Amino acid sequence: EAQVTQNPRYLITVTGKKLTVTCSQNMNHEYMSWYRQDPGLGLRQIYYSMNVEVTDKGDVPEGYKVSRKEKRNFPLILESPSPNQTSLYFCASSLRTGYEQYFGPGTRLTVT
Amino acid sequence: GDSVTQMEGPVTLSEEACLTINCTYTATGYPSLFWYVQYPGEGLQLLLKATKADDKGSNKGFEATYRKETTSFHLEKGSVQVSDSAVYFCALRPMGGGSNYKLTFGKGTLLTVNP
Repeated sequence: EAQVTQNPRYLITVTGKKLTVTCSQNMNHEYMSWYRQDPGLGLRQIYYSMNVEVTDKGDVPEGYKVSRKEKRNFPLILESPSPNQTSLYFCASSLRTGYEQYFGPGTRLTVT
Repeated sequence: GDSVTQMEGPVTLSEEACLTINCTYTATGYPSLFWYVQYPGEGLQLLLKATKADDKGSNKGFEATYRKETTSFHLEKGSVQVSDSAVYFCALRPMGGGSNYKLTFGKGTLLTVNP
C-alpha cells in the first residue's frame, strides 16, 4: 500500500531532550516536506526537500533540523525542544514539484 | 505574501443539509487552489483541486469553482452525510511554485453532521 508513515504517533517529552520524528514514504517520491498544525493557525511548512541531500527552510524552521540521506526518509530533529514546539506534525511527499502531496497520519508532540 | 481566509467554524448541520464553506485567497497571478479534508485522527487528504480560473473541482459530491474575479474557491455539497464530519482546509499553491511545492493553508473549518 502506498503511504507515508510517521513515528512515533504520540510523544511527550521534556524541555531540552533531543528527539527525532521519523517520516518514510514508499512511493519513490522526490519531494518531501514537514508541516506543523496549530489551532487557529492551520498548517505551516517547517522544512522541505526537493531530493536526496537537497533541503531548504519553510516558513517556520527555527528550532528544527532535517536531513535527507535516502530518498524514502525525511526525519525531523528537535535538538533542544521547547514548550512552544508542542504541536501536531505532518510529513508529506509528492512525486515531484507540482504533483499531489500525500500526508502522513501525524505526530502529536507535547513538550513540558 | 500569499494567504488563505476561510470561514471560521465550527459548522454543525443535520444530515442531508446543504453545505457551503467560504474560502478567499490573496496571491499574485493564478495560483492553484485545493480543498483538503482531515478525518478524525488521520492526516490530510486531497478532496479536490482547480488549477485555472473557472475550473470546477469535484469529488465525493463536493464541488468548488475557481473564481478569479472574486478570488474565491468556496466548497459546496448539496446533501451532507454523517461521514462528512471532518476538518476542511482550503489551500493554495502559488503560480510557478518554483522549487518548493509549498501549500499555504487556511485555518481549517470543523464540520459536524448530526443524524
